[in-house]
Amino acid sequence: KNQVEQSPQSLIILEGKNCTLQCNYTVSPFSNLRWYKQDTGRGPVSLTIMTFSENTKSNGRYTATLDADTKQSSLHITASQLSDSASYICVVRNSGNTPLVFGKGTRLSVIA
Amino acid sequence: NAGVTQTPKFQVLKTGQSMTLQCAQDMNHNSMYWYRQDPGMGLRLIYYSASEGTTDKGEVPNGYNVSRLNKREFSLRLESAAPSQTSVYFCASSDRGYYGYTFGSGTRLTVV
Repeated sequence: KNQVEQSPQSLIILEGKNCTLQCNYTVSPFSNLRWYKQDTGRGPVSLTIMTFSENTKSNGRYTATLDADTKQSSLHITASQLSDSASYICVVRNSGNTPLVFGKGTRLSVIA
Repeated sequence: NAGVTQTPKFQVLKTGQSMTLQCAQDMNHNSMYWYRQDPGMGLRLIYYSASEGTTDKGEVPNGYNVSRLNKREFSLRLESAAPSQTSVYFCASSDRGYYGYTFGSGTRLTVV
């Protein structure tokens, strides 16, 4: 069964600190992996999209990594800000015409 | 601003009532989607429209109907609302399924 598992479920960090969120997937055959940020009460917003051949992609203070062999991805947030408080959702697409598979998200709280 | 617009933002229904959630995008995207998001669960696909004139069931279609009115608009109808349909509903669009999705800001629906 195609699944996306994220860890941790929730995380609290101090402003200015770094953190790393994890995503493991079993989706096959793999096409691409996406990280979305979802602020409370808003829709998800895309941070990165990575294909099989990409193992690192950055978007400002956000850096995503992908290991397609082990089917793992991580999202690293550098020098966190209060505005980084949100849910971060890992989403995987397979190469067939099937719907995206969403993880349940990691809820990040950045505190002063 | 370009994007996906959903209406209404909030709605309370009584069990058995019907309503239609509206979604419109102005990015000339071919594909549109309806998702629901429940606490502790990833987004789940209700219905999608790969292109104008086509609609297909997603993971959780029971109790819903959709209409792709034209390329811009994709509506979701609840014919007889049930408490189990209490959720946050998101509409999304994409140029083609491979690329990133743009989500609307959501409709929070409560069925009592």
